[in-house]
Amino acid sequence: TQLLEQSPQFLSIQEGENLTVYCNSSSVFSSLQWYRQEPGEGPVLLVTVVTGGEVKKLKRLTFQFGDARKDSSLHITAAQPGDTGLYLCAGAPAGGTSYGKLTFGQGTILTVHP
Amino acid sequence: EAGVTQSPTHLIKTRGQQATLRCSPISGHTSVYWYQQALGLGLQFLLWYDEGEERNRGNFPPRFSGRQFPNYSSELNVNALELEDSALYLCASSLGGRAGDTQYFGPGTRLTVL
Repeated sequence: TQLLEQSPQFLSIQEGENLTVYCNSSSVFSSLQWYRQEPGEGPVLLVTVVTGGEVKKLKRLTFQFGDARKDSSLHITAAQPGDTGLYLCAGAPAGGTSYGKLTFGQGTILTVHP
Repeated sequence: EAGVTQSPTHLIKTRGQQATLRCSPISGHTSVYWYQQALGLGLQFLLWYDEGEERNRGNFPPRFSGRQFPNYSSELNVNALELEDSALYLCASSLGGRAGDTQYFGPGTRLTVL
């Protein structure tokens, strides 16, 4: 069974601060996706990382996929109240019996105070 | 381009009844996935359909079933509803069933079992 450990579970910061969310696993993933979810809505895709060592930037958000494709991080620079939400990482298996399933981390609830 | 759509938005049932949830994938996507997001439990994989066939199944009892129609839309059926089935049910679609294909989520159906 593939597991993704996401940390921290809760993050409460002031506007303008930087933050990093981590996802770690002992399993190798073919890709890793980051989503943001608002209460009562479906997760919205932020980015997909595929190649080990890959870094992708989306405005103030920087996503990194570990060299061994077992871990990933999301870094937000100068956080804004609009960044508030639930952030989820999800790993796609390389194959086998888990084929087709996304394994989700537990999520990070981010609150950015003005 | 329209995203993944789900209906109904909310569904209220009583214990022992059956529930039917529907999903329409993004145009051109052949794979449909179902996930359950219960409070405090994160997203759990339920079912994956591709080209009309069930390709993989999560650790849920047989009373959770579904199908995919020739137009690639999908239904999730939950029989003999139990209180713990109350959750947000999310549908996702992807271009195909290849490892690493990005999954795009719909807004979800909130099922409440009384």
